[in-house]
Amino acid sequence: SQTIHQWPATLVQPVGSPLSLECTVEGTSNPNLYWYRQAAGRGLQLLFYSVGIGQISSEVPQNLSASRPQDRQFILSSKKLLLSDSGFYLCAWTSRGFSGANVLTFGAGSRLTVL
Amino acid sequence: AQSVTQPDIHITVSEGASLELRCNYSYGATPYLFWYVQSPGQGLQLLLKYFSGDTLVQGIKGFEAEFKRSQSSFNLRKPSVHWSDAAEYFCAVGSGSARQLTFGSGTQLTVLP
Repeated sequence: SQTIHQWPATLVQPVGSPLSLECTVEGTSNPNLYWYRQAAGRGLQLLFYSVGIGQISSEVPQNLSASRPQDRQFILSSKKLLLSDSGFYLCAWTSRGFSGANVLTFGAGSRLTVL
Repeated sequence: AQSVTQPDIHITVSEGASLELRCNYSYGATPYLFWYVQSPGQGLQLLLKYFSGDTLVQGIKGFEAEFKRSQSSFNLRKPSVHWSDAAEYFCAVGSGSARQLTFGSGTQLTVLP
């Protein structure tokens, strides 16, 4: 069966510090991978998606970047965090190919607090 | 462009009472519709989905949803709510070769003992 892991689960970082959140998927090959952010009291905002190694699409301009160094690994990074980067970050995957019928499977999330 | 509206930000029900969470979507063709649930501090879990066929779909945990094309709605229902159903619920719509789902802003459900 497929599983998705995110870490760290909780992170408290000072403004201006770097960030690295990691996501890995097991039990599937060539998944589409996604990073979402959920700010307090708000819905889900798609940040990045990837259809393959080294292929990253950004949905919104921001202080963050994403990388996919391996087929089942997706990393969210920042060189210098801002207060507005605080939130709950969710990684998700779907099977390959774009279809509105693709079911997103989410990780447990990473809670980032920037102080 | 597709969009999803969940009109109720917060709903409170008593345990054992029935529940209906509203979802309205905007899309020109037949959409793919989803309901996800998020427990505090957790990721989202799929409750149910509608792609085609029977407009009443059954999901996990005793939930069901009905697709009504004439009303552009996909409301989530449960006959008898349990305390463990307290969570945030998200409706989402997908279409064709869309690269992403469009999520509603969520409805927070509180269950009173």
